[in-house]
Amino acid sequence: GQSLEQPSEVTAVEGAIVQINCTYQTSGFYGLSWYQQHDGGAPTFLSYNALDGLEETGRFSSFLSRSDSYGYLLLQELQMKDSASYFCAVLNTGFQKLVFGTGTRLLVSP
Amino acid sequence: ETGVTQSPTHLIKTRGQQVTLRCSSQSGHNTVSWYQQALGQGPQFIFQYYREEENGRGNFPPRFSGLQFPNYSSELNVNALELDDSALYLCASRTWDPPYEQYFGPGTRLTVT
Repeated sequence: GQSLEQPSEVTAVEGAIVQINCTYQTSGFYGLSWYQQHDGGAPTFLSYNALDGLEETGRFSSFLSRSDSYGYLLLQELQMKDSASYFCAVLNTGFQKLVFGTGTRLLVSP
Repeated sequence: ETGVTQSPTHLIKTRGQQVTLRCSSQSGHNTVSWYQQALGQGPQFIFQYYREEENGRGNFPPRFSGLQFPNYSSELNVNALELDDSALYLCASRTWDPPYEQYFGPGTRLTVT
């Protein structure tokens, strides 16, 4: 089977740094993706890690450790607009099926 | 470049009825996936179409079926609707190459009464 675990909720203040962790169990692993979803909106792609290490895109960075089946999303210089749900998702081999975690709700306060 | 579009945006159906949801993929994308998202949950994979063939399916019963057309647009059909089918249905398109970024449509909110 496949499973992904994320914290259900994280709170932080504007300007802070927050890390959202994701542990996964799966067979046939291609890579780990992160998506952001605002209330009432569609998920939007943030990052994809196929190899171990850190990928940086502006204020957001994503890390993967394949040996530990673990990854995280790091959000820096938090802004109010970053309040949203964040999903890690495993891309499986075979037909490249994307399996989502249950999501982490990030609340950024002034 | 036109993004992924879905229709209708909202739909109310009665238990036992059938529904068809539609999705137009982004230009240049040959792979379409459908997801069901219940309130407060992550999207659950229903199935995926690549070049008009279903090439992957999640844990959904056969009453969930689909099609992909030559222009890569797609339909999701659900027969014998149940109350638990009430959810946001998301369509996502992508190419078959890295970084496997899924482009999601705005979704169809289905309510079954």
